[in-house]
Amino acid sequence: GQQLNQSPQSMFIQEGEDVSMNCTSSSIFNTWLWYKQDPGEGPVLLIALYKAGELTSNGRLTAQFGITRKDSFLNISASIPSDVGIYFCAGRRVSNFGNEKLTFGTGTRLTIIP
Amino acid sequence: DGGITQSPKYLFRKEGQNVTLSCEQNLNHDAMYWYRQDPGQGLRLIYYSQIVNDFQKGDIAEGYSVSREKKESFPLTVTSAQKNPTAFYLCASKSAQLNTEAFFGQGTRLTVV
Repeated sequence: GQQLNQSPQSMFIQEGEDVSMNCTSSSIFNTWLWYKQDPGEGPVLLIALYKAGELTSNGRLTAQFGITRKDSFLNISASIPSDVGIYFCAGRRVSNFGNEKLTFGTGTRLTIIP
Repeated sequence: DGGITQSPKYLFRKEGQNVTLSCEQNLNHDAMYWYRQDPGQGLRLIYYSQIVNDFQKGDIAEGYSVSREKKESFPLTVTSAQKNPTAFYLCASKSAQLNTEAFFGQGTRLTVV
């Protein structure tokens, strides 16, 4: 199965820095999702995007649905220690119940250097 | 509290044995999913079920089997035919409502020795 191209694979930043990561695909999606996963836990949804061009914020997190519908980015401002984890993007082609199949990115591992 | 529960958290099995992973949800969700996660990779879909007594293969169904006899439960059996079963397994469920997203369980780490 296809996986989305997510970059960077890993990031090492200092507390307080801003973070930016993105996902690209050769296919069009009509929904983009961003999840965060802590070690040994299941992913938790951060932001959902349903319209091309949509820009959505959730606290210090901001995500955008690319206008071409083939990409999305996630920004985290003023990082704090609890931001550490793996961030995954996911795309979905059809939003109606009955055709729910998500394609996941390979993840961006965020580490905060003391 | 409503949620989705996977058990056990850690599971060890000998090679050649079948093993069943449990997933239960009390969210009244119709759809349920099983994903596999390997180090450095995203989640890959094994099986999914949109309604009781019906399920479909995902991208990597070979060596796995599922059942959906109850709305709340979607157990996954890892059979001896799965060549590389050691992985982190994640179950998810989703409402039928438009623009709602899946909730994930906490995962089961299966190690086959």
